[in-house]
Amino acid sequence: DTGVSQDPRHKITKRGQNVTFRCDPISEHNRLYWYRQTLGQGPEFLTYFQNEAQLEKSRLLSDRFSAERPKGSFSTLEIQRTEQGDSAMYLCASSFETAFSGYTFGSGTRLTVV
Amino acid sequence: AQTVTQSQPEMSVQEAETVTLSCTYDTSENNYYLFWYKQPPSRQMILVIRQEAYKQQNATENRFSVNFQKAAKSFSLKISDSQLGDTAMYFCAFQPFYGGSQGNLIFGKGTKLSVKP
Repeated sequence: DTGVSQDPRHKITKRGQNVTFRCDPISEHNRLYWYRQTLGQGPEFLTYFQNEAQLEKSRLLSDRFSAERPKGSFSTLEIQRTEQGDSAMYLCASSFETAFSGYTFGSGTRLTVV
Repeated sequence: AQTVTQSQPEMSVQEAETVTLSCTYDTSENNYYLFWYKQPPSRQMILVIRQEAYKQQNATENRFSVNFQKAAKSFSLKISDSQLGDTAMYFCAFQPFYGGSQGNLIFGKGTKLSVKP
């Protein structure tokens, strides 16, 4: 297992377009998290899955955002009708549900909306 | 709501010296975890050190140690013998633990540490 993988690493899109990001977690981890990080700030929680169930969504996750984790494996995060304020690093992380192990983070997808 | 505060946006230290990064948090929970994560420039976030709230003994990982003061809700990170590779953003993070299951990580805004040769 090579850790948490995110694709693409960088995405530049025009305002109003839809974008989709993918995250492949560590296979043994049943939890998968999405965070957003803007320049000079700490990561902010967006949503998380336990297996295939989406258990919590932050109020930061507007109706334009949707996340899925079919079959409890990889996850996708889609942003519809992108806005300039969506420009950020989108981080994915995975963990066990109960272990005191912290999260393993991916390298992130940097989104720039022009 | 739980919050994490890092009061030092930027710090610098000379190579081989010791530096301490501050972190305070606010919670009404009794059972939780605390972490320090490191995010080098343009690289992924990695775990530096972790502490269980019910353990009074401060965690240590090689050159990294913490000073955990539960009553004061303080969790500082000490880096000894600083190295150039320690240059990074450091994030303090809080994680509640509910009935055997982890809650979400809540991060502070980070401290940018520069180690100077």
